[in-house]
Amino acid sequence: DAGVIQSPRHEVTEMGQEVTLRCKPISGHNSLFWYRQTMMRGLELLIYFNNNVPIDDSGMPEDRFSAKMPNASFSTLKIQPSEPRDSAVYFCASSTDRYYGYTFGSGTRLTVV
Amino acid sequence: GQQLNQSPQSMFIQEGEDVSMNCTSSSIFNTWLWYKQDPGEGPVLLIALYKAGELTSNGRLTAQFGITRKDSFLNISASIPSDVGIYFCAGENYGGSQGNLIFGKGTKLSVKP
Repeated sequence: DAGVIQSPRHEVTEMGQEVTLRCKPISGHNSLFWYRQTMMRGLELLIYFNNNVPIDDSGMPEDRFSAKMPNASFSTLKIQPSEPRDSAVYFCASSTDRYYGYTFGSGTRLTVV
Repeated sequence: GQQLNQSPQSMFIQEGEDVSMNCTSSSIFNTWLWYKQDPGEGPVLLIALYKAGELTSNGRLTAQFGITRKDSFLNISASIPSDVGIYFCAGENYGGSQGNLIFGKGTKLSVKP
């Protein structure tokens, strides 16, 4: 099992550019979560999907953020336009209905300059 | 909103010492989880607790789900250098379906050889 796969591992972009983060959940997991981690705010849930359907997006900071899950094996988190305050580590995690322990990916470290 | 208060924020200990950290909340949780995060990686699940009063061990790690369901602790016995990292507690209270894990801010553990 390759685990939850995120790409890219690191992203440096200029303010105003569009950023797309990608995630491949563990095969068979039907829930997918996007988290953001910063020193100040810790781990924050941005959005989660169950069976490819967005269930709770109340953590998405603003309209500049959007997430999609077109199928069970792929999800994207997009920021357009990006701002320096979006700099953080973004984690994707997946799980099954019968197991509360989420499996996290290695994260994408985003730096917006 | 719901918050988890995790303490201490950081610990500097000598190799071989025991470690204790805890999490408290004003809200009741149905599940308590403890994660460890190594530098540059995502959090990894250490122990999951599903019942009030439950005491669970995983090697040198022991965690308990408080009777009031508002707190949990994690103990590490005979610490070793590879125990270094950030430990997170997480609580979940959506019974029967995937919900939102609330994370504490973490306890950063440093171990001196």
